[in-house]
Amino acid sequence: SAVISQKPSRDICQRGTSLTIQCQVDSQVTMMFWYRQQPGQSLTLIATANQGSEATYESGFVIDKFPISRPNLTFSTLTVSNMSPEDSSIYLCSVVGQGAKDEAFFGQGTRLTVV
Amino acid sequence: AQSVTQLGSHVSVSEGALVLLRCNYSSSVPPYLFWYVQYPNQGLQLLLKYTTGATLVKGINGFEAEFKKSETSFHLTKPSAHMSDAAEYFCAVSRNFGNEKLTFGTGTRLTIIP
Repeated sequence: SAVISQKPSRDICQRGTSLTIQCQVDSQVTMMFWYRQQPGQSLTLIATANQGSEATYESGFVIDKFPISRPNLTFSTLTVSNMSPEDSSIYLCSVVGQGAKDEAFFGQGTRLTVV
Repeated sequence: AQSVTQLGSHVSVSEGALVLLRCNYSSSVPPYLFWYVQYPNQGLQLLLKYTTGATLVKGINGFEAEFKKSETSFHLTKPSAHMSDAAEYFCAVSRNFGNEKLTFGTGTRLTIIP
C-alpha cells in the first residue's frame, strides 16, 4: 500500500492569494493525480502530475490557475492561484502504481475555503 | 469517453436491512470498475474493484458488487446494514487498470436508520 501525507489539511484564504498544497508518498509511485471535490459534488480530475515534465490538464483546467510540480516519484504540489470563493473545495491527491501497485490511493484532502 | 451514473444521491436504510447502491457506466472499451467510500472529513478508501474474471466481486466490510455487462451496471450491495456504514459512496470507472485516471459518479450518501 501507499501512505499519502497531504498538507495542509485545511486552510482559509483571502481572495486573490495563492495556496500550495503538498502531496508526499511513502514509496515511489508511477502516477500522481490531483482531484477537486466541490461542496456536495463528486470528484473531478484536475490534472495528471508528470515527473520531470509539465502536467497534463483536463478540460476546463489550465496551468496558470493550477500550476503543478512533480520533481520526483514521491512528491507533488498543486497551487491554486489568484483564488476566488468559487475555488472553495476539497483538493485530493491520488497515486497509482509501483509502491501503490494497481490500486489508487487517496490523500486525506485539503479543505480550502476562500473568503 | 467514459461516464458513471449513480441513481439516488441519498439512500436511507434501516440497520440490519439490505443496502443497494446503484451504478451504471458508459464506456467504449471494457471497463475497470471501482467503489470507494468516503467517511466524513476523510479521504477515499477502496471498497472493491472489478478488473477481469469473476463478475461478483467481494470487498471489505461485507460489501460486494456484481458486474453485469448486458446491463452496464455495477451495483453495490450489503446484506445487513450497520450504523458504521453511514458514509458517501462513489462508483468510478477507468479504461486501464493500474495507471489510469478515474471518472467518478456523483456519489450516494448512505444514511442508516437505527
